[in-house]
Amino acid sequence: DAGVTQSPTHLIKTRGQQVTLRCSPKSGHDTVSWYQQALGQGPQFIFQYYEEEERQRGNFPDRFSGHQYPNYSSELNVNALLLGDSALYLCASSSPGSGEKLFFGSGTQLSVL
Amino acid sequence: DQQVKQNSPSLSVQEGRISILNCDYTNSMFDYFLWYKKYPAEGPTFLISISSIKDKNEDGRFTVFLNKSAKHLSLHIVPSQPGDSAVYFCAARTFTGNQFYFGTGTSLTVIP
Repeated sequence: DAGVTQSPTHLIKTRGQQVTLRCSPKSGHDTVSWYQQALGQGPQFIFQYYEEEERQRGNFPDRFSGHQYPNYSSELNVNALLLGDSALYLCASSSPGSGEKLFFGSGTQLSVL
Repeated sequence: DQQVKQNSPSLSVQEGRISILNCDYTNSMFDYFLWYKKYPAEGPTFLISISSIKDKNEDGRFTVFLNKSAKHLSLHIVPSQPGDSAVYFCAARTFTGNQFYFGTGTSLTVIP
């Protein structure tokens, strides 16, 4: 049973560029959440997708957008990258049957130069 | 606005002894709390949870205590093992919310 998979594992971009991160949820999970973890901080909620719609959004600018596909996989897009966007981006999946727990992938480490 | 706080960035404990990790929160609407463990280069892994209707939950060597009046929870690991060395995050969620609020983590080192 594959867990949550994220790609790529590492990414280097320059300021102003755009980036797309991908996530496949754990088998049987229909909800995907994205979190940003800056160095020395805890994960910060970006948004959550359910039934291909953004269900809730955290305190992140519109430069951060996402998508969920019918197979429940998801993408996180960040436009006009800033140096401060450098962080570990974590995808988490869940479902009513998972008992409210989030199952995390290993993350994508994004460096913006 | 840090609604969940872990005030101890690091903790060192001898193998076999008890590890106590603490977490404070400010939002009285939080009703579900979790602890996650994170190793380097891996995503956080669920450890144990507790709902606000309980004040204690045990799972093997791990016990979480919730003190709602103090808005405080703690994770006890007994006995501590070297493999427990990791960063521990507490997280909380409101009944109606879909987002979890995480603390900044406590790095636990268990010394053999």
